[in-house]
Amino acid sequence: DTGVSQDPRHKITKRGQNVTFRCDPISEHNRLYWYRQTLGQGPEFLTYFQNEAQLEKSRLLSDRFSAERPKGSFSTLEIQRTEQGDSAMYLCASSAASGNYGYTFGSGTRLTVV
Amino acid sequence: AQSVTQLGSHVSVSEGALVLLRCNYSSSVPPYLFWYVQYPNQGLQLLLKYTSAATLVKGINGFEAEFKKSETSFHLTKPSAHMSDAAEYFCAVSSMEYGNKLVFGAGTILRVKS
Repeated sequence: DTGVSQDPRHKITKRGQNVTFRCDPISEHNRLYWYRQTLGQGPEFLTYFQNEAQLEKSRLLSDRFSAERPKGSFSTLEIQRTEQGDSAMYLCASSAASGNYGYTFGSGTRLTVV
Repeated sequence: AQSVTQLGSHVSVSEGALVLLRCNYSSSVPPYLFWYVQYPNQGLQLLLKYTSAATLVKGINGFEAEFKKSETSFHLTKPSAHMSDAAEYFCAVSSMEYGNKLVFGAGTILRVKS
């Protein structure tokens, strides 16, 4: 297993378009997290899954954002009607059980909305 | 109160000098504490973690951190900086108070001068 994979690495889209990102976690990990990171800030929590169940969503996650993990393996994060303020690095991470021993992060997807 | 505070958004040291990156946390229950490193356009890599065992924690690349409950601190140190240590460093906390999710500080950019 090669760690957490995210695709694409970079995405440039026009304002108003929809985008979808994919994350493949470490196969033994049942928890999967999405974070957003803007320039000069630490990662901010968006949502997390335990297996296929989405257990928590941040207030940062507007109605334009939706995440799924249909079979408890990979996850997708979709942003509808993108806005310039959505430009950021979107990080996926996975962990075993409670995650109190740390998360393994992917390399991220950098989104630029023009 | 801010859950994680990293003092100094930028720290500059000479090659071979001591590295000290400061982190203070806020948690009313026993926390789990982490330091992550991020290189440009990369995801986050776990440097070390405190999970209620030894208060002095050793990590990768010669880094270590000491948990001081009385000071609510978890400062990161390295005796001798190397050029390859130049990166951004994030302190993070996880506890029941934060829903057992990682909450990150704003980060400290470490510059190493030759």
